[in-house]
Amino acid sequence: DAGITQSPRHKVTETGTPVTLRCHQTENHRYMYWYRQDPGHGLRLIHYSYGVKDTDKGEVSDGYSVSRSKTEDFLLTLESATSSQTSVYFCAISEPTLAGGHNEQFFGPGTRLTVL
Amino acid sequence: KNQVEQSPQSLIILEGKNCTLQCNYTVSPFSNLRWYKQDTGRGPVSLTIMTFSENTKSNGRYTATLDADTKQSSLHITASQLSDSASYICVVSARGSSNTGKLIFGQGTTLQVKP
Repeated sequence: DAGITQSPRHKVTETGTPVTLRCHQTENHRYMYWYRQDPGHGLRLIHYSYGVKDTDKGEVSDGYSVSRSKTEDFLLTLESATSSQTSVYFCAISEPTLAGGHNEQFFGPGTRLTVL
Repeated sequence: KNQVEQSPQSLIILEGKNCTLQCNYTVSPFSNLRWYKQDTGRGPVSLTIMTFSENTKSNGRYTATLDADTKQSSLHITASQLSDSASYICVVSARGSSNTGKLIFGQGTTLQVKP
């Protein structure tokens, strides 16, 4: 999984509780992404980061916040988890090329989150 | 709206047989198209990436084709093996998103190879 780890790998929590997922990379890639994957949907972008302390929203960002205080770590926080946030969450990394554009995205192993 | 659609949704074949997965996209302006393989319980792994000027690319028993005029791509798997059982995801990048790396994902085709 290209030097990307996610923790925890599995989590069960209750509605209304805060949850933080961590993505850690050892590749020194500048860009990091958080996706969710649900049956019947392709991977959907939640938030992404283009550098330390630089983040932006994706297409399904409501109810999620992120932080990146170090190049290697990207945190995804659910301030008050809801059942609709039950999903598999993937972190990905990429590095922009000199010619513009991006090299491929490398994905972590995923975190399965269940909100009861 | 930028979209990527894949067919079939699922497919079952016998070991040793060939198969072809389809991807249609409406992403514009087009930058590149990728095929990813996702094993159960794992993250997606890139198989091929093709730009506008490339119409075929191979990776072992996997061959991807791209027709930028009709906005279609296919992934052909030759002499299938049990380890090919996975979800195959077509992913398109729009040229305007080149500075963010944002991708548009299809829903995937689930392939099951039976002995």
